[in-house]
Amino acid sequence: QVQLKESGPGLVQPSQTLSLTCTVSGFSLTSNSVHWVRQPPGKGLEWVGAIWSGGSTDYNSALKSRLSISRDTSKSQVFLKMNSLQTEDTAIYFCTRSLRRVYDYWGQGVMVTVSS
Amino acid sequence: DIQMTQSPPSLSASLGDKVTITCQASQNINKYIAWYQQKPGKAPRLLIRYTSTLESGTPSRFSGSGSGRDYSFSISNVESEDIASYYCLQYDNLRTFGGGTKLELK
Repeated sequence: QVQLKESGPGLVQPSQTLSLTCTVSGFSLTSNSVHWVRQPPGKGLEWVGAIWSGGSTDYNSALKSRLSISRDTSKSQVFLKMNSLQTEDTAIYFCTRSLRRVYDYWGQGVMVTVSS
Repeated sequence: DIQMTQSPPSLSASLGDKVTITCQASQNINKYIAWYQQKPGKAPRLLIRYTSTLESGTPSRFSGSGSGRDYSFSISNVESEDIASYYCLQYDNLRTFGGGTKLELK
C-alpha cells in the first residue's frame, strides 16, 4: 500500500539548514510527483515545492532562494533542504503524493521548531 | 503566483445546517480546484477534485461548484463528524492553498 514518512530533526537553530527526508513505498518516484507542504502551528497549509516524476523541481516563489528538493529513486526517498531558517519556518512539514495533480496520500508530518 | 482567497475564516453551524465556503482565485484556474478536510493532528483528506468530482468515500452531502475565478464548497446537513478545517487548493499552475475555514458547532 502507498505510504509516505517524513523524518528529520525536530529542532533547528536560527540561520541553520533544515534537512528532511520523505521515504515512500507502494509507488515509484519516477511515476508520481512528491510535494512538500507545511503548516505553522494553528495556521493554514502552505505549498513548499515539488519534485516531478521526471526529476525536475518547482518551488514556492517566497521560499525559492532558500530551498532545494532532490531525490534518490533507488532508495525511494525525497529530500528537502532549506537554509537560513527563521522562527517563521517553525511548522509541521508534510510530504504528499500527487496523483492526477491532486494529493491523495500524505505522510504523518514532522514538527520542526526553529529556536536557539 | 496564483493567490487563493478563502472565506469565511471560521464558520459556526448547527447539526443539519447547510454551510458554504468560497474560494476566489487571482486568475482563471480552469476548474482545477480541490477541497480538503483536516482534523486536528491529522493530515488533510481529499474530498473533491476538479471543482465537483467527489472522491471515493466522500459523502454525497459534500458538493462543489464554480468556474473561472470563483468556486464554492458546500456541506448540506452538517454532521458532527464534519467538524474540521477545510482548505481549497488550486492546481492549475503549481499549487496554492486557500487560507482555510474552521467549521465549529454552534
